[in-house]
Formats: sequence, structure tokens, C-alpha cells
Amino acid sequence: AQTVTQSQPEMSVQEAETVTLSCTYDTSENNYYLFWYKQPPSRQMILVIRQEAYKQQNATENRFSVNFQKAAKSFSLKISDSQLGDTAMYFCAFVGGAQKLVFGQGTRLTINP
Amino acid sequence: DGGITQSPKYLFRKEGQNVTLSCEQNLNHDAMYWYRQDPGQGLRLIYYSQIVNDFQKGDIAEGYSVSREKKESFPLTVTSAQKNPTAFYLCASSIGQVTYNEQFFGPGTRLTVL
Repeated sequence: AQTVTQSQPEMSVQEAETVTLSCTYDTSENNYYLFWYKQPPSRQMILVIRQEAYKQQNATENRFSVNFQKAAKSFSLKISDSQLGDTAMYFCAFVGGAQKLVFGQGTRLTINP
Repeated sequence: DGGITQSPKYLFRKEGQNVTLSCEQNLNHDAMYWYRQDPGQGLRLIYYSQIVNDFQKGDIAEGYSVSREKKESFPLTVTSAQKNPTAFYLCASSIGQVTYNEQFFGPGTRLTVL
């Protein structure tokens, strides 16, 4: 079975700092996709960034970037120059051969002024 | 504006009652999904549908039922057989029939059993 683990239930940083959220996954698939979703207090889930496993280059979206280590099955999210609006739950998610999105348990990130 | 709507936002149910949660999308997406979110846990898949008049069970389908009579609509019924229905329910949709595509989420429905 495919599993996704987020080992940091909560994190807190000061505004403008850089923060890295960890995610590891377990799969025997060779081709798959990884996602980071953000759920702010409004509870609306929003896609932050997506990575295809066959691409070696790490995905980047403005202040958000990933460190994808396929051999280590690691997929961390780095948020640079953090802003108050980044306060949210962040979920790592995986989809592979079973074609069902599997979510981690989430990391609650708080950005302090 | 294109998007996904869920109604109601808050729903209260007495034990033993069935309730239906609405999910509508105007994105012309083929696939739709229902997830359940409990505190301290990630989202768990209840049911999904990749095409009209077809749907498959997810990981926690017991006590739930769905229908997909129209492309735009994917209602979820929480039956009295669901032992612990109090949770936050999220509906999502994606273009095409594979889950590699980005899923777009609705605003959710909070169901509370009294």
C-alpha cells in the first residue's frame, strides 16, 4: 500500500523566514506524481505545487519550491520569504498506479508577525 | 466564474437519519471525488466517479452512497449505517479520467450528528 508521512504536526516561524516542511512516501511504483496542497483557515484546499517523478528538476512556483529525492522517497516543501497568508495546514499527497490520491496527515504552519 | 460549490456549509443530523450533501461543478470536469477529513488526519477518499453513471468505492465507502446522473453533479448520501459521520466533507473534481491531474476542491460541508 502507498503511504505518505508528514513527521511535523506543527511548525511556527517568523514572517520573512524560510521554512521547510517534510514529507516521505512509500511506493513500489516508478512513475507517480506528488503534490503539496494548502488548506488555510477557510478550509478551501488549494494546490501549491506538483512534481512528476520522472522529472529530475525540482518544481518551483514563486516562493514555493520542492526538494524531490526519488531514491530517498522524500518530497519536502520550502517556503521562502514566508508571509502571514501562508498560515495554513499543508498536505503532501501522492498518486501512482492505483490512481487514487493519498494524503499525509498534514503539517499546521503558523507564520508569526 | 467556474468552480465547485458544496451545500450546505453546515449540516446537522439526528442519529438514524440519512442526509445528502450536494456537490456541483461547472468546470466541465469528467472526474469527481468525495473526501472525509477528521481532526489530525489527512483526507480519506470515500467515493469517486470518472464518468457519468459510473463510480467506485474509495477507502472508506461503508455507510455512504453516491450517484452520478449528470456530469456536473455528484451528491453524497450519509446513511444511518455510518457509525461516526461527524466530520468535514470535501468534494473535488479533475479534468480527464486520471487522478494525475490537479484536483480542484469545493469549500466543504461540516456535518454534525446530534
